[in-house]
Amino acid sequence: GQSLEQPSEVTAVEGAIVQINCTYQTSGFYGLSWYQQHDGGAPTFLSYNALDGLEETGRFSSFLSRSDSYGYLLLQELQMKDSASYFCAVKGDSNYQLIWGAGTKLIIKP
Amino acid sequence: DAMVIQNPRYQVTQFGKPVTLSCSQTLNHNVMYWYQQKSSQAPKLLFHYYDKDFNNEADTPDNFQSRRPNTSFCFLDIRSPGLGDAAMYLCATSRERGAIIQYFGAGTRLSVL
Repeated sequence: GQSLEQPSEVTAVEGAIVQINCTYQTSGFYGLSWYQQHDGGAPTFLSYNALDGLEETGRFSSFLSRSDSYGYLLLQELQMKDSASYFCAVKGDSNYQLIWGAGTKLIIKP
Repeated sequence: DAMVIQNPRYQVTQFGKPVTLSCSQTLNHNVMYWYQQKSSQAPKLLFHYYDKDFNNEADTPDNFQSRRPNTSFCFLDIRSPGLGDAAMYLCATSRERGAIIQYFGAGTRLSVL
């Protein structure tokens, strides 16, 4: 079967750095993406990795290792507004559907 | 500058009373998706349109239907809502089928009494 695993909840302190991991098992792989969703809001695209390595976008970075079927989202200089759920999603062999992880709720404490 | 707009934001209906949710987009994207999302879960794809081509997920109940009268608009019809259909319904678009980047509307939260 196809599945993605990510921690259900992560807690960090404002101003710190936090890493949210995602491991995947899919038939075919064409990229790993990350979405942010605030409570009651819509998912918003954050970043995408098709190749191994680190992609940086401001305070957020995303990493991929295809040989390990693993990626992570790194959030630096955490702000209270970063409190949200973060979903990893993989584009597999299906020509139309993203496969979603269950989401990681990030709790930030002052 | 909302690009994917869903109406209404909140919808309350009665058990068994049909309800229609709407979605419009200004991105001129070929693909429109409907997702169902329950609390603390990932979005679950119900169906999608690639242009006028309708694609239903195998496990989407027959109770859920969709219409896409033109490129900009898409509707989700729930013919006989049950208590288990209470959820957030998300509309999304992408330029091409299977695109890694999807643009989501703010969602419609459906309550069933």
